[in-house]
Amino acid sequence: AQSVTQLGSHVSVSEGALVLLRCNYSSSVPPYLFWYVQYPNQGLQLLLKYTSAATLVKGINGFEAEFKKSETSFHLTKPSAHMSDAAEYFCAVSEAYSSASKIIFGSGTRLSIRP
Amino acid sequence: ETGVTQSPTHLIKTRGQQVTLRCSSQSGHNTVSWYQQALGQGPQFIFQYYREEENGRGNFPPRFSGLQFPNYSSELNVNALELDDSALYLCASSLGGELFSGNTIYFGEGSWLTVV
Repeated sequence: AQSVTQLGSHVSVSEGALVLLRCNYSSSVPPYLFWYVQYPNQGLQLLLKYTSAATLVKGINGFEAEFKKSETSFHLTKPSAHMSDAAEYFCAVSEAYSSASKIIFGSGTRLSIRP
Repeated sequence: ETGVTQSPTHLIKTRGQQVTLRCSSQSGHNTVSWYQQALGQGPQFIFQYYREEENGRGNFPPRFSGLQFPNYSSELNVNALELDDSALYLCASSLGGELFSGNTIYFGEGSWLTVV
């Protein structure tokens, strides 16, 4: 079975500081990994995804994540936080080449940005 | 703007009633999936339809059912509503094949269901 653990339900950083949101996954088969962002009262927007190509994945809005198989991690980073980055972030895993695109989401990390 | 539209955006139902939620997929997408997101939690996979057939289901009872139409629009039906069914229901579409190859999945903004 696949699962995702997001470390820290709430992260607060100052504007301009490094953003680091932690995610560890569990999967018995090669995984696809995703980070989604959700703004208040909106749906989910894909930030980036890992699908077994380059282990360092660059996404939208300056975010990137690195797939580390040995650590079963897929942490999300951004060098300099903006006020507009305040949102809920979800790490997610799916099984490569499965019959359905079933995505397992973590419980989310709420990112707050201090002025 | 993902091109996935859902209706209604908000609705209130009474326990025991039935509800139908609708989704219009992004043009050309042949795969649609539905997720339930309870307040303060991550989305949970309900089921997926590929070319009008259900080809994957999460841990939800049979009173959760769906349809996908030839134009790839979709419905989620929930019978015998319970208070715990109160949640945001998200529809997601993608251009899929027989096997999932990591194609980008686009989510709609969801339908908020409150059961009282």
